[in-house]
Amino acid sequence: SQTIHQWPATLVQPVGSPLSLECTVEGTSNPNLYWYRQAAGRGLQLLFYSVGIGQISSEVPQNLSASRPQDRQFILSSKKLLLSDSGFYLCAWSPGHNEQFFGPGTRLTVL
Amino acid sequence: RKEVEQDPGPFNVPEGATVAFNCTYSNSASQSFFWYRQDCRKEPKLLMSVYSSGNEDGRFTAQLNRASQYISLLIRDSKLSDSATYLCVVNRGNTPLVFGKGTRLSVIA
Repeated sequence: SQTIHQWPATLVQPVGSPLSLECTVEGTSNPNLYWYRQAAGRGLQLLFYSVGIGQISSEVPQNLSASRPQDRQFILSSKKLLLSDSGFYLCAWSPGHNEQFFGPGTRLTVL
Repeated sequence: RKEVEQDPGPFNVPEGATVAFNCTYSNSASQSFFWYRQDCRKEPKLLMSVYSSGNEDGRFTAQLNRASQYISLLIRDSKLSDSATYLCVVNRGNTPLVFGKGTRLSVIA
């Protein structure tokens, strides 16, 4: 069966520091991969998605970037965090643009 | 008009009650539909897909009305454990899913 991992579970970072969040999927090949952010009490905001290695689509312009160095690895990065980057970051995978399965998420607080 | 619209709630219902949520979508080319459940501070989890003929899974029933472009979720005999936010989700085809902002349900003892 397929599983999706995200780490770390929680992170507290100062403004201006870099960020790297990692997501890996097991038990499937060539999945679509997604990064979402959810601010407290708000809906899901799609940040990036990828349909294959090295293919990244950006949904919202911001100081974040994403990379897919391997088939089942998706990384979210920032060079300098802003206060507004605080939120719950969720990675998801899907077999095509169909039902998505989410990882446990990373709760990021930028101080 | 938002692509997927839901009443944010909260819906506060007693245990054992029946509660229904509706969701409307704007893109008539939408192809498939889902309901997800999200518990507080947790990731969303797929609750059920929504088929044209309607489908039932235990106490949960999902219905699709393509002509009026809405889907519904009915929960019978509500349990305390049903308290969560329910997300309406639409698949437009060769693009990522579109998630509604969710409807919050609180089942009270």
